[in-house]
Amino acid sequence: KAGVTQTPRYLIKTRGQQVTLSCSPISGHRSVSWYQQTPGQGLQFLFEYFSETQRNKGNFPGRFSGRQFSNSRSEMNVSTLELGDSALYLCASSLSTKGGSYGYTFGSGTRLTVV
Amino acid sequence: KQEVTQIPAALSVPEGENLVLNCSFTDSAIYNLQWFRQDPGKGLTSLLLIQSSQREQTSGRLNASLDKSSGRSTLYIAASQPGDSATYLCAAFSRGSGNTGKLIFGQGTTLQVKP
Repeated sequence: KAGVTQTPRYLIKTRGQQVTLSCSPISGHRSVSWYQQTPGQGLQFLFEYFSETQRNKGNFPGRFSGRQFSNSRSEMNVSTLELGDSALYLCASSLSTKGGSYGYTFGSGTRLTVV
Repeated sequence: KQEVTQIPAALSVPEGENLVLNCSFTDSAIYNLQWFRQDPGKGLTSLLLIQSSQREQTSGRLNASLDKSSGRSTLYIAASQPGDSATYLCAAFSRGSGNTGKLIFGQGTTLQVKP
């Protein structure tokens, strides 16, 4: 079966711009989580969506937002980009918000570079 | 607050060696623990998922153990191969309110297996 699909794979944006990243979970998975990976901070949780509702949110500024559609696809938006937003953004899907029960499957990520 | 630590940060071994990667966590009330592999510039590949009620899981040459009382998990790799070279991440699933939760990641152990 198809895995978690993230698009685009690479992005280069200028400071102050905004960006939207997309994630399509595994078919049947209703939970989508987003993580940011940087060399300094490692992997950090951004937010989780389940059935179009944000169920959990990490400690990131309001410039980071997301949404989930009725087909479980999710988008993440970052407004007013800063240099420090350069990172690998990873999406993970799970069967339910009790993600621990089933574990998580990650996508290949979107590499965002802010210049 | 859950914290996850992985030691060592880097490891270099000759091909064929058996090796152990260590992961420790501060809060024993984890729901489960998941081991991932990450190749340079790529996403995360799930290796093993251990539920809190389990003591170990095995997949091929990999064996992961979990000891909640001591806050430790180990990933054992038998007969290492150059293709095992990657960064290995452990992540504890911590439950929040309303059956939500998130993965708390360690910083990873970068493994190099020399031919």
